[in-house]
Amino acid sequence: TQLLEQSPQFLSIQEGENLTVYCNSSSVFSSLQWYRQEPGEGPVLLVTVVTGGEVKKLKRLTFQFGDARKDSSLHITAAQPGDTGLYLCAGEAGNQFYFGTGTSLTVIP
Amino acid sequence: NAGVTQTPKFQVLKTGQSMTLQCAQDMNHEYMSWYRQDPGMGLRLIHYSVGAGITDQGEVPNGYNVSRSTTEDFPLRLLSAAPSQTSVYFCASSHKGTGPRGYGYTFGSGTRLTVV
Repeated sequence: TQLLEQSPQFLSIQEGENLTVYCNSSSVFSSLQWYRQEPGEGPVLLVTVVTGGEVKKLKRLTFQFGDARKDSSLHITAAQPGDTGLYLCAGEAGNQFYFGTGTSLTVIP
Repeated sequence: NAGVTQTPKFQVLKTGQSMTLQCAQDMNHEYMSWYRQDPGMGLRLIHYSVGAGITDQGEVPNGYNVSRSTTEDFPLRLLSAAPSQTSVYFCASSHKGTGPRGYGYTFGSGTRLTVV
């Protein structure tokens, strides 16, 4: 099992604040993906990062893949209530993706 | 609408009963997978398939069977339900060309299963 630990597990912030979510493992991954999941629905892909050190931006979301390809972070600038959801990272190993434990984010208006 | 369709959305089983969770996709995806989601555990891979007639085990395959007779369908069978199988089950599919890495998974909306 490729264990991916996410922190924090729960996060509640005010609208307009910045936040960072972390995804850490002792394993090396070929690529890493971030998904967002809303209640009662399946996860939806946000981004894929492939190269160690890679940084991708998606509007107010910034994703970084660690240099050693063992960890990743998701930074949200000026959080909005629409950002509320469960954020999941998933690391690729052996052509399969192993999901992290998840970070539940609540943005309070 | 194109996507992954899972049925049923909710199910209650008694210990020892068997049932099949249905999954169908209309995107001509080669890759299909079954995950279970439990609080604090993320999504764990049960079984997956890289094409019709080909299946393989994931992290937590015990107590589950799958088959892939067509590209579109990937049913998950619980042989003898146990309370430990109470969970939310997700089916996912992706393009073969670059695998899940290229376009990510498309997930169904899940089946919430309770075993009493």
